[in-house]
Amino acid sequence: NAGVTQTPKFQVLKTGQSMTLQCAQDMNHNSMYWYRQDPGMGLRLIYYSASEGTTDKGEVPNGYNVSRLNKREFSLRLESAAPSQTSVYFCASSGVAGLSSYNEQFFGPGTRLTVL
Amino acid sequence: SQKIEQNSEALNIQEGKTATLTCNYTNYSPAYLQWYRQDPGRGPVFLLLIRENEKEKRKERLKVTFDTTLKQSLFHITASQPADSATYLCALDDGGFQKLVFGTGTRLLVSP
Repeated sequence: NAGVTQTPKFQVLKTGQSMTLQCAQDMNHNSMYWYRQDPGMGLRLIYYSASEGTTDKGEVPNGYNVSRLNKREFSLRLESAAPSQTSVYFCASSGVAGLSSYNEQFFGPGTRLTVL
Repeated sequence: SQKIEQNSEALNIQEGKTATLTCNYTNYSPAYLQWYRQDPGRGPVFLLLIRENEKEKRKERLKVTFDTTLKQSLFHITASQPADSATYLCALDDGGFQKLVFGTGTRLLVSP
């Protein structure tokens, strides 16, 4: 099993450009998440999807959109990138149907995004 | 306001000693708390989960305590090794199904 995979690993954008970060998991997890991690700020939740077909805003959703394409895939889109969106982006997944709601989250390797 | 606080200064200890990391929170009533390890350039990795009705949890050289009165969790690594050097994050549930709020993490450096 590959776990949680993310593409691309690195990306440089110019202000105003758009891009989509891809995430996929092969653990049959119901829930998926997008975080950003900035120095001194810790991990902050951007959007999450509790189950296939649903998405909800997290702590810092402005400037982002998401799509839960199917149970495996959860993408994050930046429509018009800004320098403030320079960060490391992590996708995570958790929760197998029928088990405890206290499941741990499994993280991908991250995407390092720089917006010039 | 809601806050999760971890010591932002790195913790330096010698190999073989016990490392103790602290996680304090305010204005949350978590049903559980989790600890993760993060190595440079990688995603966090889950270590331990402790529920609100559990005082202590152990896994090999790791021990976590959870005091809901003090609103504090302590994370201990006994017989620490240089390979334990990493950043350790605490996370607690945000009242939503499997939504977590993370602390900023404490960097642990174990010297030989």
